[in-house]
Amino acid sequence: QSALTQPASVSGSPGQSITISCTGTSSDVGSYNLVSWYQQHPGKAPKVMIYEVSKRPSGVSNRFSGSKSGNTASLTISGLQAEDEADYYCCSYAGSRTFYVVFGGGTKLTVL
Amino acid sequence: EVQLVQSGAEVKKPGESLRISCKGSGYRFTSYWINWVCQMPGKGLEWMGRIDPSDSYTNYSPSFQGHVTISADKSIGTAHLQWSSLKASDTAMYYCASSSIPAAGDDAFDIWGQGTMVTVSS
Repeated sequence: QSALTQPASVSGSPGQSITISCTGTSSDVGSYNLVSWYQQHPGKAPKVMIYEVSKRPSGVSNRFSGSKSGNTASLTISGLQAEDEADYYCCSYAGSRTFYVVFGGGTKLTVL
Repeated sequence: EVQLVQSGAEVKKPGESLRISCKGSGYRFTSYWINWVCQMPGKGLEWMGRIDPSDSYTNYSPSFQGHVTISADKSIGTAHLQWSSLKASDTAMYYCASSSIPAAGDDAFDIWGQGTMVTVSS
């Protein structure tokens, strides 16, 4: 199972909005509404920002939103803030007969 | 507070064995699957496998099946990831993670350990 495809980097200025794409296949992203997004700051453990394509866990800012179309999921961050600068990983359920999840390669977000 | 606390960093030689741990606290340990995720230096996340602490049933990624063993001891609320023969390519940060979000799938990892860095070098 190959990793999901994400852009290596994206950037934006404070206050702007950015979108990170996550492309999979009909065996993972395209088949299940089980896409999650993780934020990881340097030297820290990942933190879930979005699960089940578009749901936000308690405590996550509503500036973060998720969507999906076909085999591609997207994470949008609106009103960019300096603290949003981090690596972002998408993750999709990909199991057919057994539990399996696959991560994307990660996207480095730079806030200019 | 619900948390996962992992054992400390390890430095090993190729061919040696190793077991690292992940202890749950603040919740009933058998309530959530424990997943293991690795991250090689400067690289992305990769799911390795998971265990149901209530009965020790496991799922493994094909990439790690046969190379690592995931186990759990519910009596002490601890899961383990072990290698019988380490390789230099096993050098990575290893995280344990669980999904505790009500009504969410098992793939929404909202609880993470702090990570255990494993360095394998001769």
